[in-house]
Amino acid sequence: ETGVTQTPRHLVMGMTNKKSLKCEQHLGHNAMYWYKQSAKKPLELMFVYNFKEQTENNSVPSRFSPECPNSSHLFLHLHTLQPEDSALYLCASSLEGSTGELFFGEGSRLTVL
Amino acid sequence: GENVEQHPSTLSVQEGDSAVIKCTYSDSASNYFPWYKQELGKGPQLIIDIRSNVGEKKDQRIAVTLNKTAKHFSLHITETQPEDSAVYFCAASLGGADGLTFGKGTHLIIQP
Repeated sequence: ETGVTQTPRHLVMGMTNKKSLKCEQHLGHNAMYWYKQSAKKPLELMFVYNFKEQTENNSVPSRFSPECPNSSHLFLHLHTLQPEDSALYLCASSLEGSTGELFFGEGSRLTVL
Repeated sequence: GENVEQHPSTLSVQEGDSAVIKCTYSDSASNYFPWYKQELGKGPQLIIDIRSNVGEKKDQRIAVTLNKTAKHFSLHITETQPEDSAVYFCAASLGGADGLTFGKGTHLIIQP
C-alpha cells in the first residue's frame, strides 16, 4: 500500500466513450501528477497540480482533461480517445519543498478499441 | 530541456552476481538523480537517490554513483536476489519532483 489509490485498475473503452480515471492520496501531499507509461518509452508527464494550480505538458491532446477538486483527489477525464492512447496511466503525489520523491499509485491500464 | 538516456534496456544476471545500470543526462544544471523500481503490476517506487553534492551513496546492497563532469550516473546492485527482478528507471531534475525526466527503463532479470 503506497498511500496512492487509483481506480479503476483496468478499463476498456471504445473511441466514442467518455470515462474517467480517479486517484486519491492519503499522504497529506500537496502536489499530484498524471503520467502515461507506454512500452519501451520513458514515463511521460501529462499534468501537474501544485497547490491546485495546473501545469500541463503542451503535447497532451485535448481529449485528456484533468480535474483536481482538492489536494487529495485527482481525475483524468477521457473522451473520444484513439487506440494509440492505450497505456498504463499512473497517478503520483509529492510534498512540495521535500526531497522530491514521487509516490506512485499502481496505475490504471487503459485499452481503447 | 533535459534528456536522459538509460542502458541497457534488458539485463540478465545470475543470482548472486552484481548488476549495473547506467544513465546519462544532458542538462548540466540537473542536481537530483533518483532511481525507481517497478515490479510487475505495481507503480514505480523510489529505491535510492543522489544529489549533485555527493559522488556516491549506498544503502545495503544498492549503491548509486554520480560523475558530474561526464554527466552520468549508475545504479549498482550487489549479491542479486530473485526479488530484484523488476524494471528500473533513472531520472534527473533540477531538484523538484515536477521536473523529473525519466529514462526508458531497464528490465533486470535475475536467473536462478
